Amino acid sequence: GAVVSQHPSWVICKSGTSVKIECRSLDFQATTMFWYRQFPKQSLMLMATSNEGSKATYEQGVEKDKFLINHASLTLSTLTVTSAHPEDSSFYICSARGTSTYEQYFGPGTRLTVT
Amino acid sequence: AQSVSQHNHHVILSEAASLELGCNYSYGGTVNLFWYVQYPGQHLQLLLKYFSGDPLVKGIKGFEAEFIKSKFSFNLRKPSVQWSDTAEYFCAVNALGAGGFKTIFGAGTRLFVKA
Repeated sequence: GAVVSQHPSWVICKSGTSVKIECRSLDFQATTMFWYRQFPKQSLMLMATSNEGSKATYEQGVEKDKFLINHASLTLSTLTVTSAHPEDSSFYICSARGTSTYEQYFGPGTRLTVT
Repeated sequence: AQSVSQHNHHVILSEAASLELGCNYSYGGTVNLFWYVQYPGQHLQLLLKYFSGDPLVKGIKGFEAEFIKSKFSFNLRKPSVQWSDTAEYFCAVNALGAGGFKTIFGAGTRLFVKA
C-alpha cells in the first residue's frame, strides 16, 4: 500500500525559533498534499492544501506567513513553523493523494513541543 | 463550506455489545466518505471508504458503514465490539472545495470497550 513518512517524529524547540517538518510519499507520486494539526483529544484540523509546483491554499484562520508550506516535488512537501511559540505545540500530520484516487494516505505525524 | 458532525463524543460499551456511531455531513455535491480509527498512541488508519456503488460498505475488523444520501449520513456499525476496539473514530468527507478536493474530519468519537 501507499506509504507516507514524516520527519522528524518528535521535535522540541525554543520559542522564537523555526522548525521544518518533512512529508514524503515513499512509493507513489503525490500531486496533492495536505497538512493537518491535531490538539490533544481533538480532531484533525485541515491547515492547508498544496499542489506540486504551486502555492498552498490555506484554510481560514491559518496564518500563511507563520506556517510556510513548500511542495517542491511529487514526493516531498515541507511545513515550516516560523517563530514558533508554545501555543504552536501540537501534533502535525500530513497526508498525500496520488493522481488517480480521492483517497488520502496519512503520515505518522510529528509532535512539536515549543518551550 | 462542508462540515462533518459526529454526534457521540464518548461511547462506553461492554464487550459483545453492538456499536453504531453517527456521522452526518453538509455538502450538496458528490462526496467520498471515510471512517478512520486512531488507536492510543498510533496514527490514523483507514477502516473503510465509500466512493460509489453499494451504499453498504464493509471494512476491516468487522466494521461496516451505510451511506444514506437522503439523510447525508454515513454511520459506522459493528455487531459485536471487542476490548481491542477501544480507540478514537473519525468520520471524514472528501469533497470539492476552494483549492480542489480536500478531506474534512469530524470531531471524533472516543470509544471505550469494557472487558
